[in-house]
Amino acid sequence: RKEVEQDPGPFNVPEGATVAFNCTYSNSASQSFFWYRQDCRKEPKLLMSVYSSGNEDGRFTAQLNRASQYISLLIRDSKLSDSATYLCVVTDNYGQNFVFGPGTRLSVLP
Amino acid sequence: EAQVTQNPRYLITVTGKKLTVTCSQNMNHEYMSWYRQDPGLGLRQIYYSMNVEVTDKGDVPEGYKVSRKEKRNFPLILESPSPNQTSLYFCASSLTAGAPGNEQFFGPGTRLTVL
Repeated sequence: RKEVEQDPGPFNVPEGATVAFNCTYSNSASQSFFWYRQDCRKEPKLLMSVYSSGNEDGRFTAQLNRASQYISLLIRDSKLSDSATYLCVVTDNYGQNFVFGPGTRLSVLP
Repeated sequence: EAQVTQNPRYLITVTGKKLTVTCSQNMNHEYMSWYRQDPGLGLRQIYYSMNVEVTDKGDVPEGYKVSRKEKRNFPLILESPSPNQTSLYFCASSLTAGAPGNEQFFGPGTRLTVL
């Protein structure tokens, strides 16, 4: 079993749609959780950290369920500029070793 | 401008010819890390460094070396490159290790081809 798994994608959605990404991780002692986005042939950039209580940043909402070892990302009112690959990232117990999921590609269509 | 720089951006080399990819950050970050990205496998951590003179293996360290003699620099060394090290390499840094809210800043990437 892979350490971090994500929806295989790709997701093709119309502008304005709501889209949800799912991620599961295998290390129950993982300390920290993040969502990064990566545009084609570019470096990854932090979208948001994921906190146990869940957190929201504008149109983006992240949730963490430690018991189920599950992380989600919800994008509301999707824009063309949201088209990218979304990477789920989990650290080890000490927050030092980062494990990236394979990513889920999103295309928002006009 | 706060940034992570990598050099070279593109490199084609031959099997066995030692090479170094440099990484430098100007944000006074303690934590630095190297990743490789391959189709279907995502980003995988090669080595990381918590601070000067402190380095640790990531998930795929075989065939690579690193050093951290200064806080700002974290070079990746391939002593004897092989074709299976053909990949896209990213260097990253963050203020400290991966605490919540602690963003990793990535360099622009180095595309390496080993013939």
